[in-house]
Order: sequence, then structure tokens, then C-alpha cells
Amino acid sequence: QKEVEQNSGPLSVPEGAIASLNCTYSDRGSQSFFWYRQYSGKSPELIMSIYSNGDKEDGRFTAQLNKASQYVSLLIRDSQPSDSATYLCAVKFWSALNFGKGTSLLVTP
Amino acid sequence: DGGITQSPKYLFRKEGQNVTLSCEQNLNHDAMYWYRQDPGQGLRLIYYSQIVNDFQKGDIAEGYSVSREKKESFPLTVTSAQKNPTAFYLCASSTLAGVSDTQYFGPGTRLTVL
Repeated sequence: QKEVEQNSGPLSVPEGAIASLNCTYSDRGSQSFFWYRQYSGKSPELIMSIYSNGDKEDGRFTAQLNKASQYVSLLIRDSQPSDSATYLCAVKFWSALNFGKGTSLLVTP
Repeated sequence: DGGITQSPKYLFRKEGQNVTLSCEQNLNHDAMYWYRQDPGQGLRLIYYSQIVNDFQKGDIAEGYSVSREKKESFPLTVTSAQKNPTAFYLCASSTLAGVSDTQYFGPGTRLTVL
């Protein structure tokens, strides 16, 4: 079983701060890495994908990948109350996408 | 509008009943997937299909069945053999482009056993 681990939280940050979400995975052969945001009662929506080591930025979001350490993270700059949600890390090996249980983020005004 | 639709949004099942959840996509994606999500849990794969008339079991296929008669449609039947079916069911689709395949999700169906 390919494991994807996330701290369940909740992670609480004040509005305007940087939120840092972390994810580790067990399979060194994993090829693609995704972050999804899920609001309560809703389906996951894709935020970022990353395939190679290093950083990838998209607006307020930065994904970081370190394959040697089997670690992927998501940084959210200038956090807003609307960012409060559960963030799911997903790791792909061949055709299978394995999900972590998610980290709950609360951004307080 | 392009996207993935699931129906119904809410579904109630009596003990011993089979129910079918609908999933349709107009994204021209080859692959389709069914996941189950329980409170506080990640998504668990039930079945997936990469081509019409072919599908593969995921991690928790027992008590479920699927069909893929059309590229656009991938219905899931929850049978009476599934002992704990109350959950949030999510359908997803993707291309088969390799490493950059990205799964996109429908709005989900919430199933409750009465």
C-alpha cells in the first residue's frame, strides 16, 4: 500500500500570514504530485500540480517538491478566510492516484 | 459548459436495496474513476476505467459494480452486498497523457442508508 501522510490539523493562521502544508509519501517511484482544496460538503478542486524537484508558483500558491526526501509542500501567501478548507495531497504512481487524509486549514480574521 | 456531472446530489437507500449513481463527463476524457470518502478520511478508489467496455477494481471494490458502455458515462451501482455504504461518492475523469494526467472531480453524491 502506497502511503501518503498529512498532518490532520487543524492548522490555524491569521489572515495575511503564510500557511505551510506538508505531505510525505512512501513510494520513491511516484511521478506526479497534486494539491486539491476541499470545502466542507463539496468535492475536491485542483490547486496545483508539480512533477519535478523545486518550486512551482501560481499566484498566492507555491508547491515545493523534494523527491530525495519524499516530501511535497504547499505554501499559501497572504492567507484569506476564504482559504479555510481541507487540503488534500495526492501522489500518482503509474495510473493510480493515492490521497492523504487532508490537512484542515483555518484562517482567522 | 464542459465538466463532470453527478446525480443525484443526495440519495437514500433502504437496507437490501441496490442503487445506481450517475456520472457523465463532456471533457472527452478517456479515463473515469469512482472514489468513496468517509468523514475525516482520504479518498479511496472503488473502480476505474481507461477505455470503453473495460474497467479495473480499485482498493475497495467489494459490494460495488460499474459499467462503461459509453466514453462519457461511468455509472456506479452500490449493491446490497456493501455493508456500510453511507459515504460521499466522487466521480473523476482524466486524460491518459501520462505523467501530467490530472483528475478532475464531479460535485459528488451523498448516499445515506436508512
